[in-house]
Amino acid sequence: SSELTQDPAVSVALGQTVRITCQGDSLRRYYASWYQQKPGQAPILVIYGQNNRPSGIPDRFSGSSSGNTASLTITGAQAEDETDYYCNSRDSSGIYWVFGGGTKLTVL
Amino acid sequence: EVQLVQSGAEVKKPGESLKISCKGSGYSFTRYWIGWVRQMPGKGLEWMGIIYPGDSDTRYSPSFQGQVTISADKSISTAYLQWSSLKASDTAMYYCTRSYTAAPPPDYWGQGTLVTVSS
Repeated sequence: SSELTQDPAVSVALGQTVRITCQGDSLRRYYASWYQQKPGQAPILVIYGQNNRPSGIPDRFSGSSSGNTASLTITGAQAEDETDYYCNSRDSSGIYWVFGGGTKLTVL
Repeated sequence: EVQLVQSGAEVKKPGESLKISCKGSGYSFTRYWIGWVRQMPGKGLEWMGIIYPGDSDTRYSPSFQGQVTISADKSISTAYLQWSSLKASDTAMYYCTRSYTAAPPPDYWGQGTLVTVSS
């Protein structure tokens, strides 16, 4: 079982704002990273650290954290954002990596 | 341009051995960690372990310790993931990743290698 918990599915109306959350005790100490994975493709990093976007990631993607919860926010969701999102961090020992179970985002 | 290029899809029988590869290019291979991530059909991402090719320091997820072997050959900028006896439950897509430290996040992913184990 994963030490990071995500809602399995979230939906958002086109153009609206959606928050995808990731909960885990280790997030009190370590930042979460977020990946977007489209069907048949490798994951791509969209947010890391406090709130950093790799080059090429649209600025509608942002990250935040509070207590044991990290969040990925998409402001003005687009049709192409409809896919799976995973959070990733270290486990409570700090040695190993863990992934959340993933959230399937539907853009209505 | 940084690239991680993985070996092609494999179809194996239970009990067979397998070694898949991940070749790094466009950067100093010995200065970045290479990790491996499993994704079973229709499921999420699972971290398997990581290796530092510079000195072969290797760390395994407790879930995969003893089940697989991670290695690297820095002379040819290639990392490997190996099984000695495959099981049907090893059927999955396997991704290699690159990270500057032993901690996440990885900044590059390979394209994935699909391993199918079936009798």
